[in-house]
Amino acid sequence: EAQVTQNPRYLITVTGKKLTVTCSQNMNHEYMSWYRQDPGLGLRQIYYSMNVEVTDKGDVPEGYKVSRKEKRNFPLILESPSPNQTSLYFCASSLSLGDGYTFGSGTRLTVV
Amino acid sequence: GQSLEQPSEVTAVEGAIVQINCTYQTSGFYGLSWYQQHDGGAPTFLSYNALDGLEETGRFSSFLSRSDSYGYLLLQELQMKDSASYFCAVNNQAGTALIFGKGTTLSVSS
Repeated sequence: EAQVTQNPRYLITVTGKKLTVTCSQNMNHEYMSWYRQDPGLGLRQIYYSMNVEVTDKGDVPEGYKVSRKEKRNFPLILESPSPNQTSLYFCASSLSLGDGYTFGSGTRLTVV
Repeated sequence: GQSLEQPSEVTAVEGAIVQINCTYQTSGFYGLSWYQQHDGGAPTFLSYNALDGLEETGRFSSFLSRSDSYGYLLLQELQMKDSASYFCAVNNQAGTALIFGKGTTLSVSS
């Protein structure tokens, strides 16, 4: 089944403890992206990638890192999480602009 | 700055037609997309307009006017299951910089 898989689905962590949210897609998509969703703010892009080793900042990249060493994987790294990074995170991938993005099921992160 | 404006809420009854408007102001433009998101779920892609005009997919249609920086999503024969949030999104450069609006919550009642 064609899908974008994120892990974990839920995570509660403490301030400052490094964490990684994994994202993997099995559709051979070139484009991948991370979004965070907060009430009243909609979906905001954190980072995106046009291909292996090609990444760029979105609207809200501060406090996040990404890497794209392989086409299928696009992990999101929080080196030192803070409470304002408590949010619902989505990974998404796309073959082309016209095909739209396929989103993962989301990761609900709480930083205390 | 870059912004997309869409109404925050729309209500309608089953069987009706509803139009969700989206106006955008971005530094570049390659296309306008629409996504649906049910509570607790992931956004799902509905449609994409790169050129002016109407695109129809079943009960849903999407329209774009590039000269007016405006588009809309038209939902016909509304069903209860259409109750969800709808987001317009702009590709503002060749690539994947997809900027979303804040979403419109559609409530369909019987």
